[in-house]
Amino acid sequence: AQSVTQLGSHVSVSEGALVLLRCNYSSSVPPYLFWYVQYPNQGLQLLLKYTSAATLVKGINGFEAEFKKSETSFHLTKPSAHMSDAAEYFCAVSPNSNYQLIWGAGTKLIIKP
Amino acid sequence: DVKVTQSSRYLVKRTGEKVFLECVQDMDHENMFWYRQDPGLGLRLIYFSYDVKMKEKGDIPEGYSVSREKKERFSLILESASTNQTSMYLCASTLPSGNTEAFFGQGTRLTVV
Repeated sequence: AQSVTQLGSHVSVSEGALVLLRCNYSSSVPPYLFWYVQYPNQGLQLLLKYTSAATLVKGINGFEAEFKKSETSFHLTKPSAHMSDAAEYFCAVSPNSNYQLIWGAGTKLIIKP
Repeated sequence: DVKVTQSSRYLVKRTGEKVFLECVQDMDHENMFWYRQDPGLGLRLIYFSYDVKMKEKGDIPEGYSVSREKKERFSLILESASTNQTSMYLCASTLPSGNTEAFFGQGTRLTVV
């Protein structure tokens, strides 16, 4: 069965520091990969997605992610954290089906002033 | 502006009550989903629907049912609410393609007392 692993349920960084949120997936073929963000008391919104056009994907709010097939990873990064980045981040995989997403457990990003 | 609207942000219900959670989307999407979100568990799929009157069980369908009589509306029903169904419920919709973005509602925080 497909699975998605997000390392660290909580990640804490200082404002201005590099943000790195890790995501690994299990799949025998390259899937579609997504990062979503959830701000407090809100639904999820798409940050970025990988659909095989390019391995480095740029998203909203300065985030980007790199697809590494050899490592089955799709880590999310941002060069300089801002207080407004405090949220929960979810990695998701769409294997090859036309409707089902498989979700990681989420990582809460905490920004220290 | 595309929208998925859930009928309530907060609900408090008593054990044994029948509970209806409503979700409406205005994007003419074929696929609609109900998820449950609990801390540390990510999003777990309860039911999804890929067409009017069609439904498929997700990972945790026990204690829930759904109804999709119109394309834009997908209802989640708790037949007899129990305290272990206290959770955040998220509705989402997508086009029928693996690489498409999922649009989420704001969520309904249900407390069963």
